Amino acid sequence: EPEVTQTPSHQVTQMGQEVILRCVPISNHLYFYWYRQILGQKVEFLVSFYNNEISEKSEIFDDQFSVERPDGSNFTLKIRSTKLEDSAMYFCASRDRGASGYNEQFFGPGTRLTVL
Amino acid sequence: AQSVAQPEDQVNVAEGNPLTVKCTYSVSGNPYLFWYVQYPNRGLQFLLKYITGDNLVKGSYGFEAEFNKSQTSFHLKKPSALVSDSALYFCAVSKAGGGNKLTFGTGTQLKVEL
Repeated sequence: EPEVTQTPSHQVTQMGQEVILRCVPISNHLYFYWYRQILGQKVEFLVSFYNNEISEKSEIFDDQFSVERPDGSNFTLKIRSTKLEDSAMYFCASRDRGASGYNEQFFGPGTRLTVL
Repeated sequence: AQSVAQPEDQVNVAEGNPLTVKCTYSVSGNPYLFWYVQYPNRGLQFLLKYITGDNLVKGSYGFEAEFNKSQTSFHLKKPSALVSDSALYFCAVSKAGGGNKLTFGTGTQLKVEL
């Protein structure tokens, strides 16, 4: 069964450093998402991406964040200058359109980002 | 704005007994509703969804949920719980149009005991 994959599984970085989190969505999916889950808290939406552009973003997704689909298979989340409060589990998700015009999102296993 | 409430942080049930995990939602327009399950150190696994049609939807592993528009609820149920059902359950809502972001509840820890 196809699945969303994410690398690395765990990333440790120093405050102020740039990080890139990588995702390979399911191959025929058209819609892509990033979410994050701070330890012990609920899953929060960051950004959605369709047709090579951002379709929606949350207030968390400020100028320090960017997304890219560089080669038609990978989907990346970049944090330019990490802060301590960026420490979280980051989930990538993807979905196809579906017969009803909407289908469920499939989530990757997550990347745990630790900012020191 | 859309939101989800899961009023119970934890639900305990004996194996073989029926289980219910509660969820209420708020969204403008017609809702799309989802249940996901998260096992320790794992991602979110899709269980079931309501988009349109029958109010009772059936999903993976014997789970089902009932959409109740008047009560704005989408409770997750299973007739007979298994110890292996023990996990963190998230209800989520989306709406048509835009990026279809999911808004999650705070999660309910289900503990099934022998």
